[in-house]
Amino acid sequence: DTGVSQDPRHKITKRGQNVTFRCDPISEHNRLYWYRQTLGQGPEFLTYFQNEAQLEKSRLLSDRFSAERPKGSFSTLEIQRTEQGDSAMYLCASSLLASSYNEQFFGPGTRLTVL
Amino acid sequence: GESVGLHLPTLSVQEGDNSIINCAYSNSASDYFIWYKQESGKGPQFIIDIRSNMDKRQGQRVTVLLNKTVKHLSLQIAATQPGDSAVYFCAEAGKNTDKLIFGTGTRLQVFP
Repeated sequence: DTGVSQDPRHKITKRGQNVTFRCDPISEHNRLYWYRQTLGQGPEFLTYFQNEAQLEKSRLLSDRFSAERPKGSFSTLEIQRTEQGDSAMYLCASSLLASSYNEQFFGPGTRLTVL
Repeated sequence: GESVGLHLPTLSVQEGDNSIINCAYSNSASDYFIWYKQESGKGPQFIIDIRSNMDKRQGQRVTVLLNKTVKHLSLQIAATQPGDSAVYFCAEAGKNTDKLIFGTGTRLQVFP
């Protein structure tokens, strides 16, 4: 499978714990995006990277959230001191920077449940 | 499996009929528009896109129409099939950003 992969697919944690999710983009895609989706809503943008550089962050990304893409390939999203309101599907997407707009290919998501 | 999009607007169509899904976008400066399909338990899947300098674009069985005057986007699916059943989202992006802003989804149900 050469699509975007995410790990784990499901995570259940207790409030106050830290969690980390991983995203592996399509090979050679230089842009990587994180979105969050709650039931009944469309995905909401969190942040995106071009290679290692984090180019844009949403106000939704509080100081408990941090994303990295240290080698310009896979990315991690960490949530510290999880809260019940963090329960959502966390989606990763990647694209190949071409001219202007770039089709974003989404992974299957990581479903987080905070108890 | 879990449901994507509880309590969403729902469009029910008979197999073989044409479907039209509508979307109103908010930002008149948006320059790029995309339709995604999302099945339960999966990430969004790209269907078709259109740039603001166009008003119509066709793909295989799908057509996207853009009306910038009223900030309206529609997705037409010809000869709807059971496999088309999913939640459909429109998304927009402005110039100089890759950030996608998704609209409220529409659930498409296809019955035989």
